[in-house]
Amino acid sequence: EAQVTQNPRYLITVTGKKLTVTCSQNMNHEYMSWYRQDPGLGLRQIYYSMNVEVTDKGDVPEGYKVSRKEKRNFPLILESPSPNQTSLYFCASSFGGGLLLEAFFGQGTRLTVV
Amino acid sequence: ELKVEQNPLFLSMQEGKNYTIYCNYSTTSDRLYWYRQDPGKSLESLFVLLSNGAVKQEGRLMASLDTKARLSTLHITAAVHDLSATYFCAVVHSTSYGKLTFGQGTILTVHP
Repeated sequence: EAQVTQNPRYLITVTGKKLTVTCSQNMNHEYMSWYRQDPGLGLRQIYYSMNVEVTDKGDVPEGYKVSRKEKRNFPLILESPSPNQTSLYFCASSFGGGLLLEAFFGQGTRLTVV
Repeated sequence: ELKVEQNPLFLSMQEGKNYTIYCNYSTTSDRLYWYRQDPGKSLESLFVLLSNGAVKQEGRLMASLDTKARLSTLHITAAVHDLSATYFCAVVHSTSYGKLTFGQGTILTVHP
C-alpha cells in the first residue's frame, strides 16, 4: 500500500530536549516536505526536499533542521524545542520534483513542548 | 512574498444548495492545489490545477484556475453532509517550485 508514515503520532517533550520526527514514504517520490498546522493559520511549510541531498527552506524554517540522505526518508529535527513549536506536523511526498502531481500526506504528529 | 487568502473561512450550507469557495493569491503562479481535511485526519488531495483556465470536476466539486486574476474557485453543487470538512487551497511559488503556501482553510458544514 502506498503511504507516507510518520512517527511518532503523539509526542510530549520538555523544552530543550532534542527530538526527531521521522517520515518515510514507499512510493519512490523525489519530493518531500514538512508542514506545521496551527489553528487559524492553515498549514505552513517548514522545509522541502526536491531529491536526495537537496533541501530548502519553506516559510517557517527557524528552529528546525532536516536531512535527506535517502530517497524514502526525510526526518524533521528539533535541536532545542520550545513551547511555540507545539503544533500538528505533517510530512508529504510527491512524484516529480516540481510538485507536478498530487501530494500524499502522512497521518500527522501532534507535538507538545512543555 | 506570496500570500494566499481563502474566503469564506466558515461556511454553513444546507443540503442541496450550491456555493463557491474562493482562493486569491498575491503573486504570479500557474500551479494550485485543493485539499480536504476531515476533523482529526490528514489531508487528502482533491485537485491539481496546472495551467490557466484549468477546470477539474469530481462528483459535486469543481475547481478552476484563473492565473491572470490570481484566483481559484472550488464550486460545490447540491451539497451533501459528507462534504462537511475543511478545504485548503495551496499555491506553488513560481520562482521555487518546491515551495508551497496554503490558504487559511474554509470550514464547511452542511446541514440537513
